[in-house]
Amino acid sequence: DIQMTQSPSSLSASVGDRVTISCRASQRISTSLNWYQQKPGKAPNLLIYAASNLQTGVPSRFSGSGSGADFTLTISSLQPEDFATYFCQQSFSIPDTFGPGTRLDIK
Amino acid sequence: QVQLQESGPGLVKPSETLSLTCSVSGGSIIGSWWSWIRQPPGQGLEWIGYIYHSGSSNYNLSLKSRVTMSVDTSKNQFSLKLSSVTAADTAVYYCARSNYKQFFDFWGQGILVTVSA
Repeated sequence: DIQMTQSPSSLSASVGDRVTISCRASQRISTSLNWYQQKPGKAPNLLIYAASNLQTGVPSRFSGSGSGADFTLTISSLQPEDFATYFCQQSFSIPDTFGPGTRLDIK
Repeated sequence: QVQLQESGPGLVKPSETLSLTCSVSGGSIIGSWWSWIRQPPGQGLEWIGYIYHSGSSNYNLSLKSRVTMSVDTSKNQFSLKLSSVTAADTAVYYCARSNYKQFFDFWGQGILVTVSA
């Protein structure tokens, strides 16, 4: 199975900050990498698919980059509604696997 | 807009079979892959498996011997059965649509299933 790691595991930031979350795969996965946002008690919500494609309806302050084994999710200017947990997920090979998550808190 | 809704018992006894159904509305179950994903309380996400409307499926090998997924196109539903459950199977279970097995673009709200005597 492909193992996914994320860093940092938690992060405190302020409204208006630029934030970067990293995701690394245990082997190369091309651009088969997706990002989800999850708020407490809610289902995950797709933000970015295929490493850099913004899902319909997702604000443009979210962006994704990377290929191979290293990927990044960037939030250009944090808004109050962005405080949540973020997961990466690889779909390069079955079983699909998720990163452990990055919790983004208000500073 | 596709909507998904999980249903089933919230409490299952150890060694019994967990059975959940996902009802799809706002679109046909035909032509898409569908998935179950679970999340133990306070933990990360685990993919359980995919199923196509034809019945073709892929399961996570870590659960494969205990998992069965099925589709009922007449009801626009798909289902999950997980046998011989233990406390480790306690989780929120989500159903989701998979876009060509590349990403999960629509999710149900999730259902908490607790395994306890």
